[in-house]
Amino acid sequence: RKEVEQDPGPFNVPEGATVAFNCTYSNSASQSFFWYRQDCRKEPKLLMSVYSSGNEDGRFTAQLNRASQYISLLIRDSKLSDSATYLCVVNKGIGANNLFFGTGTRLTVIP
Amino acid sequence: ETGVTQSPTHLIKTRGQQVTLRCSSQSGHNTVSWYQQALGQGPQFIFQYYREEENGRGNFPPRFSGLQFPNYSSELNVNALELDDSALYLCASSPLGQGFSGANVLTFGAGSRLTVL
Repeated sequence: RKEVEQDPGPFNVPEGATVAFNCTYSNSASQSFFWYRQDCRKEPKLLMSVYSSGNEDGRFTAQLNRASQYISLLIRDSKLSDSATYLCVVNKGIGANNLFFGTGTRLTVIP
Repeated sequence: ETGVTQSPTHLIKTRGQQVTLRCSSQSGHNTVSWYQQALGQGPQFIFQYYREEENGRGNFPPRFSGLQFPNYSSELNVNALELDDSALYLCASSPLGQGFSGANVLTFGAGSRLTVL
């Protein structure tokens, strides 16, 4: 079983729509969680960390559900510039070999 | 502050050849990690270098090797290239050494896209 699983999409949504992505992780001992954004043929960049209590950054909201072992990302009022692949990242423990990336969920926002 | 730079940006090799990819870490960062990202996949951890030594390795064969230099820059070497080695190779630097524990400290370079024919 993969450490991190995501729905690869693609998600095609109109501008202004709200879209949500989920990501599940296999190891209940996982310690920290992140969402990265990767534009086409570019490097991944940190979008936001995911905290146990949930956190919001503008139009973006991240949630963590430890009981069900999933994290989510909600994007409100989608913009064309939100089109990208969103990578879920899970850290099982100390050491870079304990950091796992999902395959990414591709989002296209349509005018 | 300069970011992470990688070279070359693109290259084409044939099966059996060897390749060296280079990475200059962000100013102030002393740790470098290498990732392989195949098309349609997420980045897979290859290994990390700290204080010029390998400090953690993913599930990659020994033909994947690396170096880190005193200025914290790094090289990834892949011998006996196979078709499946075709991927984007990403370097990420971070300011932490041993005890690294968070993706929020990683700064990625733009990557080197390797095609093996």
